[in-house]
Amino acid sequence: EAGVAQSPRYKIIEKRQSVAFWCNPISGHATLYWYQQILGQGPKLLIQFQNNGVVDDSQLPKDRFSAERLKGVDSTLKIQPAKLEDSAVYLCASSPLGGQGYTFGSGTRLTVV
Amino acid sequence: KQEVTQIPAALSVPEGENLVLNCSFTDSAIYNLQWFRQDPGKGLTSLLLIQSSQREQTSGRLNASLDKSSGRSTLYIAASQPGDSATYLCAVRMDSSYKLIFGSGTRLLVRP
Repeated sequence: EAGVAQSPRYKIIEKRQSVAFWCNPISGHATLYWYQQILGQGPKLLIQFQNNGVVDDSQLPKDRFSAERLKGVDSTLKIQPAKLEDSAVYLCASSPLGGQGYTFGSGTRLTVV
Repeated sequence: KQEVTQIPAALSVPEGENLVLNCSFTDSAIYNLQWFRQDPGKGLTSLLLIQSSQREQTSGRLNASLDKSSGRSTLYIAASQPGDSATYLCAVRMDSSYKLIFGSGTRLLVRP
């Protein structure tokens, strides 16, 4: 079974630029999550989709972050404009309905300079 | 608001030692607790998942326990090996959500 695919693996941008990350979940997983992991901390949920609807985006900084999951499969997370404090690893995960069996991707490491 | 704390933040042990990693949480209304391993530059790999009704789970040299009433979990690693070197993260899922709430992790180094 293929895992959760994320791209790019690394990205370096200047502050105030925009950036987008892509995630392809495990086939058949209805629920998709984006987590942000700042160096030295545990991951924090940014947004959760069930199929193509948003279930929880309470910790998403909506003035600069946006995410979509078209057709209930792939997802993109965008930051515009980026700030220095957005430097982190962005992890995508997916699970079947019910939330059991989380699988994480390898993440995208973002550095904002 | 649920808070998850992991102690110690870092641990260095010689190969062969048995060790215990600790995780505590403030709200006992959890659905389950999960231990993950994270290698540098990699995603998270699930090691053990304990449902709220369970007391422990075992997989090979790993044993995780859960005391929901006191808000504590431990991960026991027997006969540690250099390949066990990684960051270990504890995460809880609440009854009302699929969201995982993570601790900051314990960075483990097993010296040959």
